[in-house]
Amino acid sequence: KAGVTQTPRYLIKTRGQQVTLSCSPISGHRSVSWYQQTPGQGLQFLFEYFSETQRNKGNFPGRFSGRQFSNSRSEMNVSTLELGDSALYLCASSSGTSGFPTDTQYFGPGTRLTVL
Amino acid sequence: AQSVTQLDSQVPVFEEAPVELRCNYSSSVSVYLFWYVQYPNQGLQLLLKYLSGSTLVKGINGFEAEFNKSQTSFHLRKPSVHISDTAEYFCAVTPQWPGGGSNYKLTFGKGTLLTVNP
Repeated sequence: KAGVTQTPRYLIKTRGQQVTLSCSPISGHRSVSWYQQTPGQGLQFLFEYFSETQRNKGNFPGRFSGRQFSNSRSEMNVSTLELGDSALYLCASSSGTSGFPTDTQYFGPGTRLTVL
Repeated sequence: AQSVTQLDSQVPVFEEAPVELRCNYSSSVSVYLFWYVQYPNQGLQLLLKYLSGSTLVKGINGFEAEFNKSQTSFHLRKPSVHISDTAEYFCAVTPQWPGGGSNYKLTFGKGTLLTVNP
């Protein structure tokens, strides 16, 4: 079974631009979560989508948004990029049916975003 | 709210030595506890999790962790490490009764970099 894939793996943007990151979950998984990883703040939960609906949200400004498609693929968008948005963005998928934490989350390799 | 403290940011050990990575948490409600490992340039992989029952939890790659409710700790141990165990390890928690849809919302510690030297 193929794992969670994230594209692109690396991205360089400048301040003020916007960016879209993509996550393809494991086949059959309906829940997709996004996390931001930085050296200073560590790993922080952004949001979770299940069956095209945002089910949970972390404490990030509205510049961070996401969506999920009918095939469970998810995209994350960051508008008006700031230097502090430079981070590794991780996506995780799970079946979403048994409920957390019975469901195991499987993480992708991440997208490393650098904002100049 | 929950918080997780990983007491050591870096732990260097020699190959075949035992290792313990320490994790303490703070929460006003009962929690589920997790340990994840992140190898260089890779995502996170679940090592083990404590949901209920026996406080000693066995995971993959020979790791185990012990839940101590009175000390609010969940330390990770391995009796003999290998070079391939070199990675960053993250302790995480989530409330047992999140209320209002807080499923899948993990709170992570800052991580412990385990370096295994020959």
